[in-house]
Amino acid sequence: DAGITQSPRHKVTETGTPVTLRCHQTENHRYMYWYRQDPGHGLRLIHYSYGVKDTDKGEVSDGYSVSRSKTEDFLLTLESATSSQTSVYFCAIASGTSKETQYFGPGTRLLVL
Amino acid sequence: AQKITQTQPGMFVQEKEAVTLDCTYDTSDPSYGLFWYKQPSSGEMIFLIYQGSYDQQNATEGRYSLNFQKARKSANLVISASQLGDSAMYFCARSTGTASKLTFGTGTRLQVTL
Repeated sequence: DAGITQSPRHKVTETGTPVTLRCHQTENHRYMYWYRQDPGHGLRLIHYSYGVKDTDKGEVSDGYSVSRSKTEDFLLTLESATSSQTSVYFCAIASGTSKETQYFGPGTRLLVL
Repeated sequence: AQKITQTQPGMFVQEKEAVTLDCTYDTSDPSYGLFWYKQPSSGEMIFLIYQGSYDQQNATEGRYSLNFQKARKSANLVISASQLGDSAMYFCARSTGTASKLTFGTGTRLQVTL
C-alpha cells in the first residue's frame, strides 16, 4: 500500500464550472503525477511535480493547472470544465527506490455534463 | 511522440496455461525503464514488474516475467500458470527523463477461461 488517496472519488459537474481534484500521500515521496485515462488512449500524463512548488507539464496539460504547496498534497484544477475532460483521473507517486516505480491512487471518475 | 505499442487489444487463455502479452516501444534515450501494470475491472492500477534498460537479465516477479529484447525494442510480459484472477487489462509503459514520466500503451484485455 503506497498510502495514496484521491478525493473526491466520483464527481459530476457542469460545463464551465471549476473543479479541483486532490491527491494526498502519506510517505513523503518527492515526485507526484496526474494522469487521465480514456478509452483507446491508455493513461496520459497531464502534469507532474518534483517538489514543493515545482511542477511541469505533461503530454495533455491544456485546460489543467496544478499546485503543490505541501509535500503530501498535489492538486489538479480544471479552471473551466469541458465535456472533453470527462475522464478517470489517476494520481501517482514515485516510490523513491532505485527502480523509480510509480504507484497509483484509486482514481477519480469525473463526468462533465 | 515516442510511442508504446500493444498490438493485441484482447487475448484469451485457458486456466493454468502461459500467455505472452506483446509490447514494443520507441525511444532515443539510452536509459529508460519498462513497466507492466494490471488494471482489474475494479479500476485500480497495480504494478507488476519493472525492467531497466541496462539490466542484463530479464526481470521476474513470481508468475510474471518480462521478455526484454533491447535491440528489437520489445518488452513482452509472460504470465505463467494463468489464474481466473488474472483476467484484467494490462498496460505496458516506459519511463523517461529524471522525473521518470510514464508513457503508456493502449492496453491488452486478458480473459482467462476455465
